[in-house]
Amino acid sequence: DVKVTQSSRYLVKRTGEKVFLECVQDMDHENMFWYRQDPGLGLRLIYFSYDVKMKEKGDIPEGYSVSREKKERFSLILESASTNQTSMYLCASSLARLSGGSYEQYFGPGTRLTVT
Amino acid sequence: KNEVEQSPQNLTAQEGEFITINCSYSVGISALHWLQQHPGGGIVSLFMLSSGKKKHGRLIATINIQEKHSSLHITASHPRDSAVYICAVYGGSQGNLIFGKGTKLSVKP
Repeated sequence: DVKVTQSSRYLVKRTGEKVFLECVQDMDHENMFWYRQDPGLGLRLIYFSYDVKMKEKGDIPEGYSVSREKKERFSLILESASTNQTSMYLCASSLARLSGGSYEQYFGPGTRLTVT
Repeated sequence: KNEVEQSPQNLTAQEGEFITINCSYSVGISALHWLQQHPGGGIVSLFMLSSGKKKHGRLIATINIQEKHSSLHITASHPRDSAVYICAVYGGSQGNLIFGKGTKLSVKP
């Protein structure tokens, strides 16, 4: 079974702090994703990576950065946390998507981040 | 207009009822996903389909590519089916998943 783990289930940080959320997958997947999920808005893509050291902006990258130094690990960084970044953060991974094809995404358990 | 619309937003059913959740999309897709999210956050993929119909246990997913519409059916519903069901399609500017807002299902005993 594919396993995607996230470093914390719950996290409370203060405004202005630098926050690291880590995600690790154990199935040698090329693609990794960071989403945030908010009531009434659904899942929105922050950043994704299709290879080591590669990253692409998603729909809402502002205020976030990412790092992928190893294939199995994808980190989301909040450089200076703000209250509007309070949310559920979900990581996912998948095999590389061939042109015209698609692969299932596997999700981690989520990190509920509260910024006070 | 959202590219992926789900209906209904909320659904309450009695145990044993047949349930249908609908998903309409406006983007061209290679595949559509149905996902399940239980309280606590974890998301599980139920189905990925690009044509026809798939069945797994009491769950059935259908898709009509011409009409850009998919349905998720649950037969003989049970309280453990209570969850948020999310439809997602590949599309968007980078070809990534676009998610519906989800349907919250509550099955009463």
